[in-house]
Amino acid sequence: QKEVEQNSGPLSVPEGAIASLNCTYSDRGSQSFFWYRQYSGKSPELIMFIYSNGDKEDGRFTAQLNKASQYVSLLIRDSQPSDSATYLCAVIPMDSSYKLIFGSGTRLLVRP
Amino acid sequence: DAGVTQSPTHLIKTRGQHVTLRCSPISGHKSVSWYQQVLGQGPQFIFQYYEKEERGRGNFPDRFSARQFPNYSSELNVNALLLGDSALYLCASSSEGGGYRGTQYFGPGTRLLVL
Repeated sequence: QKEVEQNSGPLSVPEGAIASLNCTYSDRGSQSFFWYRQYSGKSPELIMFIYSNGDKEDGRFTAQLNKASQYVSLLIRDSQPSDSATYLCAVIPMDSSYKLIFGSGTRLLVRP
Repeated sequence: DAGVTQSPTHLIKTRGQHVTLRCSPISGHKSVSWYQQVLGQGPQFIFQYYEKEERGRGNFPDRFSARQFPNYSSELNVNALLLGDSALYLCASSSEGGGYRGTQYFGPGTRLLVL
């Protein structure tokens, strides 16, 4: 079982819709969770981080964390074509707090 | 303020050669981490350095080594290059050396091609 799992996609949504990206993780002791956006040929760019159960909102982005279900998600409201990218979920594991464990990413396509 | 900088941006080497990649963290950040990203996968952790000390090492062979300098910049060295070392090498900067609040910010990366 992979430590951090994401659906590779592509997830295709029309412009203006809500895009929902999901991530599950295996280390129940994980404390910190991150979403990065990566455009093709570029490096990952931090979008949000979340530490506590519940929702965290930042502009059009909402991160949701459910530690009991070992599940973290990212909602993008009013999706724009410029949101088309690969979204990487990352976790800091309990036994090695110096590193990020990444999923393989979900590719999002926002259709004009 | 400048973000994380890396050099070179692209590099082509042949099998068996040695390569040195460089990284400068965000001003005020004392921690540098290195990741390898192969096409279609998420970044894989290689090393983290904090205050010039190695804090952690990922599952990479001894051909990979790194160090951090007094000004907190860092070098990643890879010896005896293999075709499989072709990847995007990412440097990440954080203000803390790990811990659950250690948000990492990535540089633009060095794209290495081994022929």
